[in-house]
Amino acid sequence: DAGVIQSPRHEVTEMGQEVTLRCKPISGHNSLFWYRQTMMRGLELLIYFNNNVPIDDSGMPEDRFSAKMPNASFSTLKIQPSEPRDSAVYFCASSFARAEAFFGQGTRLTVV
Amino acid sequence: AQTVTQSQPEMSVQEAETVTLSCTYDTSESDYYLFWYKQPPSRQMILVIRQEAYKQQNATENRFSVNFQKAAKSFSLKISDSQLGDAAMYFCAYRSVLGSGGSNYKLTFGKGTLLTVNP
Repeated sequence: DAGVIQSPRHEVTEMGQEVTLRCKPISGHNSLFWYRQTMMRGLELLIYFNNNVPIDDSGMPEDRFSAKMPNASFSTLKIQPSEPRDSAVYFCASSFARAEAFFGQGTRLTVV
Repeated sequence: AQTVTQSQPEMSVQEAETVTLSCTYDTSESDYYLFWYKQPPSRQMILVIRQEAYKQQNATENRFSVNFQKAAKSFSLKISDSQLGDAAMYFCAYRSVLGSGGSNYKLTFGKGTLLTVNP
């Protein structure tokens, strides 16, 4: 199994541009998480899907952020428009039921 | 909402010595999972150890063991015979079972403890 796959690994974009981060969870996993990591705030849960349905999106910072999971093997996190304060490492993780979560390599986003 | 607190932003240990990282959590649930994750400079999040709340026996994985005190809501990680490769950020995490039907398995992390291993 290739593990959780995130793309791109690095993204540099200009303020105001749309950014889309992608995630392929481990096959057979039914839970998917998007986290944001910064020095100031640590690891923040943005949104959590269970069986492709968003269960908890209380961590999504504002309307500029949106996430979708159209099927069990793909999820996206979109930021539109992006701002410099969105610069962070974004992680996707997946798990089966209550088992441990497996993380992707993360996407380092820089908004200039 | 569940919260996870790691009160030690930084810790250091001498190579071959033992170190204990602290974690406390707040919950009203009786059934849950607890985890320790390690994040080395490569930024990859790696599972170190997990504990089921219904199990009284403390989990162990080679040099890593936990002290799980359910009543005190405490979950500390002990690293024995510390190695240079243990240097990393360590995160404590709580996984809940919320909502009807047990379909909400939210995973919450503490702020992390940066462990330095001195040669």
